[in-house]
Amino acid sequence: AQTVTQSQPEMSVQEAETVTLSCTYDTSESDYYLFWYKQPPSRQMILVIRQEAYKQQNATENRFSVNFQKAAKSFSLKISDSQLGDAAMYFCAYRYMNRDDKIIFGKGTRLHILP
Amino acid sequence: NAGVTQTPKFRVLKTGQSMTLLCAQDMNHEYMYWYRQDPGMGLRLIHYSVGEGTTAKGEVPDGYNVSRLKKQNFLLGLESAAPSQTSVYFCASTPPGRPGAEAFFGQGTRLTVV
Repeated sequence: AQTVTQSQPEMSVQEAETVTLSCTYDTSESDYYLFWYKQPPSRQMILVIRQEAYKQQNATENRFSVNFQKAAKSFSLKISDSQLGDAAMYFCAYRYMNRDDKIIFGKGTRLHILP
Repeated sequence: NAGVTQTPKFRVLKTGQSMTLLCAQDMNHEYMYWYRQDPGMGLRLIHYSVGEGTTAKGEVPDGYNVSRLKKQNFLLGLESAAPSQTSVYFCASTPPGRPGAEAFFGQGTRLTVV
């Protein structure tokens, strides 16, 4: 069974600094998607970034980028120039590409931004 | 464009009572999911559906039942509520044929069982 592990329950970063959130996953499949979702205090889930496993190039969305290491089954999220609005719970998620259609989430990392 | 709507937003139940949570989406999505979110546990999949008339068990299905009689609706039922089912419940949906597509979530239902 696929699993997603986020080993950092909480992290803090100074405003304008860079922070990296870790995620590892376990799967026997070779084609899948990985995601990072953000959940601010409003509870609304927001897609931050996604990565296709068959693409070697790391995905980037403005200040958000990932470090995808397929062999190591690692998918970390880097937030550059942290802003107060980045304070939220961040979830790493996995979805197999071809069947089953489940989306599996990690336990989340709560990110605090220090002014 | 409403997206995914959950009803109700809040509910307090007594142990042993039953209730149904409704999830409705207006995006013609094929796949729908029910998750529960508990502190330190992340989002855990309860049940999901890959199309009208189909349902499947997730990670934590015990104590819950679901139905998908209409494509746009996914119902989550608690037949005999227990305090362990106190949680925030989220419904989500995704379009067919696009496993990399963004999942759209409802605003959540906070359920307290006393």
